[in-house]
Amino acid sequence: DIQMTQSPSSLSASVGDRVTITCQASQDISNYLNWYQQKPGKAPKLLIYDASNLETGVPSRFSGSGSGTDFTFTISSLQPEDIATYYCQQYDNLLLFTFGPGTKVDIK
Amino acid sequence: EVQLLESGGGLVQPGGSLRLSCAASGFTFSSYAMSWVRQAPGKGLEWVSAISGSGGSTYYADSVKGRFTISRDNSKNTLYLQMNSLRAEDTAVYYCAKDKGYIWGSYVRALDYWGQGTLVTVSS
Repeated sequence: DIQMTQSPSSLSASVGDRVTITCQASQDISNYLNWYQQKPGKAPKLLIYDASNLETGVPSRFSGSGSGTDFTFTISSLQPEDIATYYCQQYDNLLLFTFGPGTKVDIK
Repeated sequence: EVQLLESGGGLVQPGGSLRLSCAASGFTFSSYAMSWVRQAPGKGLEWVSAISGSGGSTYYADSVKGRFTISRDNSKNTLYLQMNSLRAEDTAVYYCAKDKGYIWGSYVRALDYWGQGTLVTVSS
């Protein structure tokens, strides 16, 4: 099974800061990597699909990059409404998903 | 507008059974794979199961294989999760979610719409 790791597990940053989260797969997953945002008490929301594609309606301050085993998620200028937990998720050519453990983002 | 509405959660004793439903609307239900994802209290997301659009292919996480069964009724636009032999560690909010589907000719396995979730509590 493919395992996903994320770092850091949590971070605090100031409004306007650039925030970067990394996600690593235990084996090559090409670009089959998605990113979600989850706010407390709410369902997750898809932000980035296939490593670097911005979901419709998602602000352009969110971006993703990477391929193979190493991926990066970036918020270019942190806003108060970005306080949430962010999850990476990989998929393979079957209907199997694995989520990363999540990164909690707070305002400093 | 895409809508997913889960139901069927509740309190059940260890070893018991429960069936979750997810009523879908606003899209051609049979054209999309669907998944169940759960989240234990204070924990991260765990993918549970998925089913192809036709219902002909099903997949499970190792943690639920042999105990849970995913199914769908495309005539009723409804997804199901039959949960048997429930354990305390199955306590979680269960979400149904829809695949994003084909984008520029390639099938994208991202979950672009989610329901609000239904809470399953396994306790004596």
